Amino acid sequence: ETGVTQTPRHLVMGMTNKKSLKCEQHLGHNAMYWYKQSAKKPLELMFVYNFKEQTENNSVPSRFSPECPNSSHLFLHLHTLQPEDSALYLCASSQLRTGANTEAFFGQGTRLTVV
Amino acid sequence: AQKITQTQPGMFVQEKEAVTLDCTYDTSDPSYGLFWYKQPSSGEMIFLIYQGSYDQQNATEGRYSLNFQKARKSANLVISASQLGDSAMYFCAMREGNTGGFKTIFGAGTRLFVKA
Repeated sequence: ETGVTQTPRHLVMGMTNKKSLKCEQHLGHNAMYWYKQSAKKPLELMFVYNFKEQTENNSVPSRFSPECPNSSHLFLHLHTLQPEDSALYLCASSQLRTGANTEAFFGQGTRLTVV
Repeated sequence: AQKITQTQPGMFVQEKEAVTLDCTYDTSDPSYGLFWYKQPSSGEMIFLIYQGSYDQQNATEGRYSLNFQKARKSANLVISASQLGDSAMYFCAMREGNTGGFKTIFGAGTRLFVKA
């Protein structure tokens, strides 16, 4: 079992659908992240949660709604998406300590296609 | 302003040879960490190596080493004895320790092709 698990791996949805992406980490980390990876663009940080509190929202449209019910689970709720939202969505977790820099562990991503 | 720059969209290397992937960064925070990740076609980002801004020596992890030149703000990844399985996208990333919050920002990546 990998440390960070994302489901589903692939998702096709219409622009009027509502769906959710799920991320679960088994590493005991205290921070979780959502990244978006579009073709030919750098990874874009979307949301950061530290101890279940959202600490970062990088000007993400409201059609993306994150939820972090506990430090092990992270969701990304999707509704009324646009075709340009098609991308690979990566979840990551890390253990954050003041002044320290620790690596993030990533899931395998959800390949989202909006039709 | 872009803080992580990877100028090589694609690189080719012969199997068993060494290859250097370039990364430059920009920050005014004296405390930061630099990371390299590998992303195979499966999509998962795999952590390779880490270098802290206060580390005196270059980081090494097996066949991976990081050529850290602080004054030039560069953190190049060196892969020795390339293997066919090294073919993937490689991303350089940075986290600022004092001012960056919990964000890790990534470069655009370099696609490495290892030839048999």
